[in-house]
Amino acid sequence: DARVTQTPRDKVTEMGQEVTMRCQPILGHNTVFWYRQTMMQGLELLAYFRNRAPLDDSGMPKDRFSAEMPDATLATLKIQPSEPRDSAVYFCASGLDGDRAYNEQFFGPGTRLTVL
Amino acid sequence: AQTVTQSQPEMSVQEAETVTLSCTYDTSESDYYLFWYKQPPSRQMILVIRQEAYKQQNATENRFSVNFQKAAKSFSLKISDSQLGDAAMYFCAYRSPRPYMNRDDKIIFGKGTRLHILP
Repeated sequence: DARVTQTPRDKVTEMGQEVTMRCQPILGHNTVFWYRQTMMQGLELLAYFRNRAPLDDSGMPKDRFSAEMPDATLATLKIQPSEPRDSAVYFCASGLDGDRAYNEQFFGPGTRLTVL
Repeated sequence: AQTVTQSQPEMSVQEAETVTLSCTYDTSESDYYLFWYKQPPSRQMILVIRQEAYKQQNATENRFSVNFQKAAKSFSLKISDSQLGDAAMYFCAYRSPRPYMNRDDKIIFGKGTRLHILP
């Protein structure tokens, strides 16, 4: 049963610390998405990749956030330095691109980040 | 820009009854995909049902069905025979298909409707 995995599941950290969240997309998927979910804003797209290349990161605060795909099996989202307003659930999703395909996005379980 | 609106932040339904969740969207495109996702307390986002805009027939998945009104830009979700396990946050979502080289795979989500099932 293929699924997207994310680590850690929960993270509590202090303001100013670096936070790294990891995602393993489903094997064979070539699109990866990072979302942030908060009560106030709902689900926001932060960044997405196709074939490991960043296509859109306009939703991401550039000064402190960075997203990378070192290889096809790993996507990372880093926050440095973290701030209390970054507290949220961060979701990774992966999909398979294709002409007129559904491009269904399969979500991971999310990382709940709390910045004190 | 496309937007998705869910006007009901919370709803309740008696177990075994039928409930309809509303969703409207705004787009200038003629071809697109619509989705309903379920997020139970476990946080896992689960695709419930999807609809291609060029199909007139409403999608159905077991107890879940949609009422897709393209002209009205409305995409409601009907849950029949509600079960306790249906209690969750439900998100309506929109995605536009584009030519492959300029493809925009972004999904735009509504704010969600929290559904409570009353035993």
